[in-house]
Amino acid sequence: EIVLTQSPVTLSLSPGERATLSCRASQSVSSNLAWYQQKPGQAPRLLIYDASTRATGIPARFSGSGSGTEFTLIISSLEPEDFAVYYCQQRTNWPPDYTFGQGTKLEIK
Amino acid sequence: QAQLVESGGGVVQPGRSLRLSCAASGFSFSLYAMHWVRQAPGKGLEWVAFISYDGSNKQYADSMKGRFSISRDNSKKTLFLHMSSLKPEDTALYYCARMERRAFDIWGRGTMVTVSS
Repeated sequence: EIVLTQSPVTLSLSPGERATLSCRASQSVSSNLAWYQQKPGQAPRLLIYDASTRATGIPARFSGSGSGTEFTLIISSLEPEDFAVYYCQQRTNWPPDYTFGQGTKLEIK
Repeated sequence: QAQLVESGGGVVQPGRSLRLSCAASGFSFSLYAMHWVRQAPGKGLEWVAFISYDGSNKQYADSMKGRFSISRDNSKKTLFLHMSSLKPEDTALYYCARMERRAFDIWGRGTMVTVSS
């Protein structure tokens, strides 16, 4: 079973600052990694898939990078609406597994 | 506009069963693989189960194997999750999600399941 570890657990920043979120896999997942944003009381929203491809309608300030076991989500300049919890997720074909990381809470400083 | 709406949640006693439904609209449901994901109160996301576009392939998270069963009715554009032998630790908000390009691109708003005596 692949374990995803996200860091930091909580990130306190101000609007306009750059946010860097990390996700580490216990073994290689190639580029099979996605990032989601979840706001309180809402369903998760897909931001990035295949490690670096922005989903439809996602602003360019969100970017993803990495492969293998180390991945990064960068928000270049934080907007007030970006403060939320962010999850990474890996996809393994066999055995089929779609594990999520434990999440990083991005809060306003 | 693609949309998923879950239903069927509620309060159920430990050991009992419950069936969740997820109604799809605004897209060709029969062309997409689907998933169930759950979120315990105040906790993170946990993948539950997967079903291929035609229902021929089904997979489950280890902790749900043998107790949960995923199915679909493409003629009714509906996804199901049958849960049996429910435990208090199954208490969660259950989401259905569409899989597109190897990620979950459309999510419902969830249906709450509470397992309690």
